[in-house]
Amino acid sequence: GAGVSQSPRYKVAKRGQDVALRCDPISGHVSLFWYQQALGQGPEFLTYFQNEAQLDKSGLPSDRFFAERPEGSVSTLKIQRTQQEDSAVYLCASSRPTGATNEKLFFGSGTQLSVL
Amino acid sequence: AQSVTQLDSHVSVSEGTPVLLRCNYSSSYSPSLFWYVQHPNKGLQLLLKYTSAATLVKGINGFEAEFKKSETSFHLTKPSAHMSDAAEYFCVVSDSGTYKYIFGTGTRLKVLA
Repeated sequence: GAGVSQSPRYKVAKRGQDVALRCDPISGHVSLFWYQQALGQGPEFLTYFQNEAQLDKSGLPSDRFFAERPEGSVSTLKIQRTQQEDSAVYLCASSRPTGATNEKLFFGSGTQLSVL
Repeated sequence: AQSVTQLDSHVSVSEGTPVLLRCNYSSSYSPSLFWYVQHPNKGLQLLLKYTSAATLVKGINGFEAEFKKSETSFHLTKPSAHMSDAAEYFCVVSDSGTYKYIFGTGTRLKVLA
C-alpha cells in the first residue's frame, strides 16, 4: 500500500475486554515497530519485528500484551483483560533496513484505545 | 543509555517569525538524531535526520537542525513560521548499531496569525 495502515482508528473497550489492533506495513518493509503514546507524551517503544521474528519485546508493559507477525507482513497487537491504564494511542511503524540502523520510520495514524 | 530532553513543552510564535525548538540528547555512542512532526489525526512524519555526515541538516518544509556534539544538542529551526507548521514536534535519538528509537516528550508549536 501507499502507507502504513492501522485499524481500527478508534477502539472503545470495557475494562476486562480483550482487544486486537492491526497494522499493515508498507509492502516490502522488513522492520516493524509498535509504540504506545499516552496523552501528552512521546511514543514509547513496545516491540520490534524483523520479518516474522520478534527480536525485542522488552517494552511490552505486562504479559497481557502480545504481538505477532506470523507471515512477516501484517502485525497484530493484542491486549488481554484491558485496564484503564492501557488507554493510549498505539502506533505502528515500518522501515526497510538497508544494513544501517538509522532508518527512516514510516508511521501509521495509530489506533486510539479508550478503556472505560 | 540513550535519552532525549525537549526543553519546551509549548512554543508560540507569530507567523513569519523564526522558530526554535530545543532538544538535548544523551547517548553512549555515536548517535543518530531525528526530528518528527505530528499533525492532528495524522501519522508521524520525518522532518530530517542526522547520521554523522554534515552537522547542519536540512529537512522538509524549510526546517533545519544543527548537531552540536559539545553541547549535546540538536535544535530545530526555521527562519519564518507558517500557519501550517502548527503541530507537535518530537526529537528522537538512536544509538548507532541499534534499532531502538527514543522519543522526547514533544513540543507543541502554535503559530499565531
